[in-house]
Amino acid sequence: EIVMTQSPATLSVSPGERATLSCRASQSVSSNLAWYQQKPGQAPRLLIYGASTRAAGLPARFSGSGSGTEFTLTISSLQSEDFAVYYCQQYNSWPPKWTFGQGTKVEIK
Amino acid sequence: EVQLLESGGGLEQPGGSLRLSCAASGFTFGNYAMSWVRQAPGRGLEWVSTISAIGGATYYADSVKGRFTISRDNSKNTLYLQMNSLRAEDTAVYYCAKCSSTSSPYYSDSWGQGTLVTVSS
Repeated sequence: EIVMTQSPATLSVSPGERATLSCRASQSVSSNLAWYQQKPGQAPRLLIYGASTRAAGLPARFSGSGSGTEFTLTISSLQSEDFAVYYCQQYNSWPPKWTFGQGTKVEIK
Repeated sequence: EVQLLESGGGLEQPGGSLRLSCAASGFTFGNYAMSWVRQAPGRGLEWVSTISAIGGATYYADSVKGRFTISRDNSKNTLYLQMNSLRAEDTAVYYCAKCSSTSSPYYSDSWGQGTLVTVSS
């Protein structure tokens, strides 16, 4: 099983500042990496797929990078609506066996 | 607009059974693989199962293999999850998720709001 490890567990950021979230895979997942945002009481929302492609309608302040085993989600200037938990997910394994990171909570500093 | 509406959750005793349903609309249901993902209270996301677009191929997490069965009825645009031999550790919100395509590799591009399953005596 591919293990996904996110860091940090919690990120305290002031509005307007930059946030950088990391995700590491235990083995290469190529570019088959997605990022999701989840707010309390809500379903996850797709942000990024293919490691760097923004989902439809996603603001440009969100960007993804990386390939292989190291990935990054960057939020260039945090807005109030961006405070949430973010999960990375690999979808490279076959048979399909998605695995998620444990999440990074982005909180207001 | 893609809509996924789960139902069938509730309180069940250990060893019992539940069947979850997910009614889909806003897309051609039979063209996409579908999945179930769960989230235990205060925990992260855990993939449970995936079914191919036509329903001929199914995949399960080791934690539910042999106890849960995923199925679909493309004529009714509905996804199902039959859950047998329930355990306390199956307690979670269960999300229905639309896969991005019919062939792997695919991620989830839309999620339902979830249905809560509680397993407790």
